[in-house]
Amino acid sequence: ETGVTQTPRHLVMGMTNKKSLKCEQHLGHNAMYWYKQSAKKPLELMFVYNFKEQTENNSVPSRFSPECPNSSHLFLHLHTLQPEDSALYLCASSQTTGDSPLHFGNGTRLTVT
Amino acid sequence: RKEVEQDPGPFNVPEGATVAFNCTYSNSASQSFFWYRQDCRKEPKLLMSVYSSGNEDGRFTAQLNRASQYISLLIRDSKLSDSATYLCVVTSSDAGKSTFGDGTTLTVKP
Repeated sequence: ETGVTQTPRHLVMGMTNKKSLKCEQHLGHNAMYWYKQSAKKPLELMFVYNFKEQTENNSVPSRFSPECPNSSHLFLHLHTLQPEDSALYLCASSQTTGDSPLHFGNGTRLTVT
Repeated sequence: RKEVEQDPGPFNVPEGATVAFNCTYSNSASQSFFWYRQDCRKEPKLLMSVYSSGNEDGRFTAQLNRASQYISLLIRDSKLSDSATYLCVVTSSDAGKSTFGDGTTLTVKP
């Protein structure tokens, strides 16, 4: 496989559920990101990891918990979400933070019921 | 003021038209600039990087004006398949991240 792969593609969960989103990149990049895109809204940066260390938490509620076990894998653990958290969650990677272009996965479309 | 601002659009143009998008940024320490394309309900995809000397890729031309802090994207001979949202992206080492514009929607009609 090449590029950035996200699973699952679609997820429907209740407000009391716990689920995780997974992202894997095969590009040899050192930085990974989580973005949120709500309907007809711009991309919102959530978290940044550089060499497995979290370098940015963009005031994200604690019901979203990221995990980066190594430079190739990134998870987003979800618990007690709200309906307004329904959105497209996009993972991206780049060679480094700051000046490298981002490569996005195809996203997980999340619906919270 | 937003860090990255784009023409709000939407742009509706006929096939074969030439269309230009502008994007301004506020952080003078910005160092890398990109245009991305996002199709409906899909992920953004890198269209092209923007270099100080300007660069061209087929029908697409990108320009950077550091003094005025804006970048532009010119699309010549528009195709139906060019219909998408175009995102301006600015990165800076001091912020250590990329900042996306809100996007400009282009619809090319037959």
